Amino acid sequence: KAGVTQTPRYLIKTRGQQVTLSCSPISGHRSVSWYQQTPGQGLQFLFEYFSETQRNKGNFPGRFSGRQFSNSRSEMNVSTLELGDSALYLCASTSYRSYEQYFGPGTRLTVT
Amino acid sequence: AQKVTQAQTEISVVEKEDVTLDCVYETRDTTYYLFWYKQPPSGELVFLIRRNSFDEQNEISGRYSWNFQKSTSSFNFTITASQVVDSAVYFCALTGGGTSYGKLTFGQGTILTVHP
Repeated sequence: KAGVTQTPRYLIKTRGQQVTLSCSPISGHRSVSWYQQTPGQGLQFLFEYFSETQRNKGNFPGRFSGRQFSNSRSEMNVSTLELGDSALYLCASTSYRSYEQYFGPGTRLTVT
Repeated sequence: AQKVTQAQTEISVVEKEDVTLDCVYETRDTTYYLFWYKQPPSGELVFLIRRNSFDEQNEISGRYSWNFQKSTSSFNFTITASQVVDSAVYFCALTGGGTSYGKLTFGQGTILTVHP
């Protein structure tokens, strides 16, 4: 069974630009979660989508948004990038049977 | 609100030593789930174990073992006879049941370095 995939793996953007990250969950998993990892703040939950609806939301500004498609693939968008948005963005999919959450390799975003 | 505390920021051991990583959690949920993840230098979080709040049985998997104690809100992780390949950052995490299972609250992580 294929794992969680994320594209792109690396991204360099300029302050003020916007970016879209993509995540494909494990087949059969309908829940997709996004996290931001930085050296200062650690791993922080951004939001979770289930059946194309945002079900849980973390404490991030509205510049961070996401969506989920009917095939459970998810995208995350960050608008008006700031230097502080430089981070590793991790996507995870969860099995509703076991509640086990599996992570993708992440997208490393650098904002200059 | 949920909270996970990993008080040990960094641990350094010599190969073959046993090492225990501590995790203390706070939650008001009566049903919750605890996890341990390993993050090697590549960055991907690797799932190690999930434990339900209603199952306090300890678990052993090879050199890994976990001790869950509800009375002290702790879920500690022990690596027996550590190896260099165990060097990584280890995270403890917590989630509630119901519709919140997709939201994990992580501890700050413990950096484990195993020297040959």
